[in-house]
Amino acid sequence: GDSVTQMEGPVTLSEEAFLTINCTYTATGYPSLFWYVQYPGEGLQLLLKATKADDKGSNKGFEATYRKETTSFHLEKGSVQVSDSAVYFCALSDRSEKLVFGKGTKLTVNP
Amino acid sequence: GAVVSQHPSWVICKSGTSVKIECRSLDFQATTMFWYRQFPKQSLMLMATSNEGSKATYEQGVEKDKFLINHASLTLSTLTVTSAHPEDSSFYICSALQGSTDTQYFGPGTRLTVL
Repeated sequence: GDSVTQMEGPVTLSEEAFLTINCTYTATGYPSLFWYVQYPGEGLQLLLKATKADDKGSNKGFEATYRKETTSFHLEKGSVQVSDSAVYFCALSDRSEKLVFGKGTKLTVNP
Repeated sequence: GAVVSQHPSWVICKSGTSVKIECRSLDFQATTMFWYRQFPKQSLMLMATSNEGSKATYEQGVEKDKFLINHASLTLSTLTVTSAHPEDSSFYICSALQGSTDTQYFGPGTRLTVL
């Protein structure tokens, strides 16, 4: 079945550091890909998404590009802030619209 | 953006009792809603897909008689945990599918503790 593998955390960075969280997927078709973020004590929020190969999703300084050839959707941000501290989930959705999540990566950004 | 609410945000109940959790899409209609369970430091596990006006579709290993789902309107789905036991203690999260954007929007979750 479909699956998502993302780098395990926790990840700890200093403010203004560069962030990469790796995500790869396995799917039989051509899924849509998502990054969700869960801030402490809150529910999941959609951060960005891409629906087809070579699409780039972006939001709040975060970016991820749908790479079909490497089946990847790595999340990047050039300069993280303390407020970016959260758990980040990579996910895919097939035609059934069900979401399959990775295990999540906890990011802590220190001042 | 689209908003989904859940009620209650947390609940404590005694073993053997039933608990109902509501999920509402506040500013859009959702023919499809999803119920997830999240264990500490783990990912979300899809429990079931709730379709307005029809029976829910449960994932393998999820007991349909224990986790009753009702999707009576385009803005409300409920999950009832029947005869709750301590092992049912978890964080339950719902999402609603916004058809116009093909995106799931998540509720803030409900923390269930069964004593």
